Amino acid sequence: DAGVTQSPTHLIKTRGQQVTLRCSPKSGHDTVSWYQQALGQGPQFIFQYYEEEERQRGNFPDRFSGHQFPNYSSELNVNALLLGDSALYLCASSLGLEQPQHFGDGTRLSIL
Amino acid sequence: GEDVEQSLFLSVREGDSSVINCTYTDSSSTYLYWYKQEPGAGLQLLTYIFSNMDMKQDQRLTVLLNKKDKHLSLRIADTQTGDSAIYFCAESWDTGRRALTFGSGTRLQVQP
Repeated sequence: DAGVTQSPTHLIKTRGQQVTLRCSPKSGHDTVSWYQQALGQGPQFIFQYYEEEERQRGNFPDRFSGHQFPNYSSELNVNALLLGDSALYLCASSLGLEQPQHFGDGTRLSIL
Repeated sequence: GEDVEQSLFLSVREGDSSVINCTYTDSSSTYLYWYKQEPGAGLQLLTYIFSNMDMKQDQRLTVLLNKKDKHLSLRIADTQTGDSAIYFCAESWDTGRRALTFGSGTRLQVQP
């Protein structure tokens, strides 16, 4: 039973560029959430997708956008990258209202 | 507003019990979670508790919830070196489809 998988594992970009991160949820899960974890901090909620729509959003600018596909996989897009966007980006998936969120190993994004 | 606080560091000897504490301020929180993060990895769900429960036990893990004081604790019995990691407390208003709010994490160091 595959867990949550994320790609790529590491990524290096420069300021002003755009990036796309990908996530495949755990088998059977239909909801995907994205979190940003800065070094030494707890994860911060970015947004959540269910039925291909953004259902909840945290305190992140519009430079952060996402998408969910019919197979429940998801992408996180970040435009006009800033140095402060350097972080570990975590994807979590869940099923329904009674199941907790399970996390992938994340994508480490470094901005030069 | 929501805020989750944890102590930064805990050091114990192998075989002793570890107690990691967490306080939260949102009285409407419904579910409270403990996640474990090892270096270079994502978050592993350890256990969670509904707000209408006082205690939950799962093998070596015991979670205690004091709703009056908004205090959550995780006790690890017979702590092993493999338990060395960062432990995050998190809260939400339900399980699958609500954002998680995390504390900054407690680094547990287990000395042989």
